[in-house]
Amino acid sequence: NAGVMQNPRHLVRRRGQEARLRCSPMKGHSHVYWYRQLPEEGLKFMVYLQKENIIDESGMPKERFSAEFPKEGPSILRIQQVVRGDSAAYFCASSPTRGLDSGNTIYFGEGSWLTVV
Amino acid sequence: GESVGLHLPTLSVQEGDNSIINCAYSNSASDYFIWYKQESGKGPQFIIDIRSNMDKRQGQRVTVLLNKTVKHLSLQIAATQPGDSAVYFCAENLGGYNKLIFGAGTRLAVHP
Repeated sequence: NAGVMQNPRHLVRRRGQEARLRCSPMKGHSHVYWYRQLPEEGLKFMVYLQKENIIDESGMPKERFSAEFPKEGPSILRIQQVVRGDSAAYFCASSPTRGLDSGNTIYFGEGSWLTVV
Repeated sequence: GESVGLHLPTLSVQEGDNSIINCAYSNSASDYFIWYKQESGKGPQFIIDIRSNMDKRQGQRVTVLLNKTVKHLSLQIAATQPGDSAVYFCAENLGGYNKLIFGAGTRLAVHP
């Protein structure tokens, strides 16, 4: 029973380049979340998606960041024109349905570590 | 801003002792809480959760206590082992929203 799969695990980009992070949710999960974690800090919510829909993007920066979860394929978090401040760990998570509860909770992937040089 | 915070950033315990990690939350509308364990270079790993209509829940070697009166959450780990060394996060979910709010984390260091 594969968990949440993220790739790449590590990514190095030069300032101004684009970063694309991919996430395949757990089998049977149709709700995907992206979180960002700076060193020695907690995780910060970015966006919540369901298949083909963005449900809540209140944590996404207004510029350069976008996310999608197409009908087929993984969810993508895209960061355009990266800057050094984008360096962080980006975690994807998934849950089976809307509404969280015991037995219907959020599981995280192993993360994608972005370094901008 | 964050509404979940932790009292102790670092907790050192002896192997075999019990550990207690505390967490304060500020949103009384939160109805679901989760504890995660994060090892270096890895993603948060689900440990245990609790709904707001409960005050205690037990798992294998772990217990979560919820005190809604003072908005306090704690994670108790019995017979702490070296493998328990990690950063522990509490997270709260506002009712009706699939959005977890995380605290800054507590680092648990287990010494032999």
